[in-house]
Parts: sequence; C-alpha cells; structure tokens
Amino acid sequence: GQNIDQPTEMTATEGAIVQINCTYQTSGFNGLFWYQQHAGEAPTFLSYNVLDGLEEKGRFSSFLSRSKGYSYLLLKELQMKDSASYLCAVMDSNYQLIWGAGTKLIIKP
Amino acid sequence: DVKVTQSSRYLVKRTGEKVFLECVQDMDHENMFWYRQDPGLGLRLIYFSYDVKMKEKGDIPEGYSVSREKKERFSLILESASTNQTSMYLCASNSSPDRAGELFFGEGSRLTVL
Repeated sequence: GQNIDQPTEMTATEGAIVQINCTYQTSGFNGLFWYQQHAGEAPTFLSYNVLDGLEEKGRFSSFLSRSKGYSYLLLKELQMKDSASYLCAVMDSNYQLIWGAGTKLIIKP
Repeated sequence: DVKVTQSSRYLVKRTGEKVFLECVQDMDHENMFWYRQDPGLGLRLIYFSYDVKMKEKGDIPEGYSVSREKKERFSLILESASTNQTSMYLCASNSSPDRAGELFFGEGSRLTVL
C-alpha cells in the first residue's frame, strides 16, 4: 500500500528553527509537495521537490532524498503566525496525490 | 490571485437528506477536485474532473456524486446523507500539468450529519 508518515504534533519556540520530517512509500514518484494549513482555513501550497536536494524559499526550505523516501520542511526564525498544520503529499506514478495526515506545529513565545 | 469559493462554510443536515456542496473557481482551471479531511487522516480524494461534463472517481466515491456542467463550477452531491459523512469537505483546482500537485483550495465546508 501507499503510505506517508509525518509526526502528529511538534512544539517549537519563537525565533528558533524546526524541522518537520516526512517519509513515504508510494507506487512511483512524481514530486513531493508541502502545504500549510492554519486552523479553520484552506491548505496553501508551500513547496515542491522533484529532484534530490534542498529548495529554499525565504524562511522555509524543503529537502528531498528519493533514494531514502524522505523529505523535510525546515522553518527558520519561527514566528507565531507559523503555528499551523503542515501537510506532506507525494504524487504517485498515476499522478495522484497521496497525503500525509499532517503535522500540527505549535509555536510558543 | 486564484480564488476558489465554496458555497457554505458550515452545514447541519439530517440523516437521509440530500446535500449539495458547490465550488466555483475564477481562474479558468481545467482540473477540479473534491476531498474530505478528517482528524488523523490525510486528505482523501472523492471525485475529480479534468473537463466539463467529465468526472473520475477518486479513492472514496461511495455515497457521493458530482456534477460539472460549467468549467468554473464543480458540485458535490450526497444523495442520502449519513452520519459517517460528517466531515470537512475541501474543493481544489489547478491548471498546470507540470505542477499537477500545486492545488488551490477553497476554505472548506464543514458538514455535520445528525
């Protein structure tokens, strides 16, 4: 079966750095996506990785290792507004998205 | 900015009622999707559509149907609502085949079936 695993909840301190991991087992691979979802709101697209390595976008970076079936989302200089759920999704060989259950990130002052 | 609008943010229905959830996007996207989101589970695809009048079953189509009569509008229909259909329903759209995983979501419709 296809599976995406990510931690259920993480806590971090304002101003710090946090890494949210995502491991996957899917039928084929056509890209990995990270989304941010604030409570009661729509998910919004954050990043896309299809090749191994790091993609940086401001305070957020996303890393991919296809051989290990592993990705992480790195958030730097954490702000209170970063409190949200972070969803990892993988596009399989049929170009269908397989979603993880999401990681709830709690930022403390 | 792309805007995906869902007709109702909150609905309360009774078992057996017919429920319509409507979704409209304003960016001329070809592809539209309906997901449900439940605590502890990843988003699950109910139905999707790549063109007007066209629909494809997702992972959990049972108990649902869809309609796409116009490009901008994709409706989800629960013919006879049941309590296990209590959930958050998310509509999404996109256009690019190269970034097919980059979806634009609506705010969601939280349905409670009593």
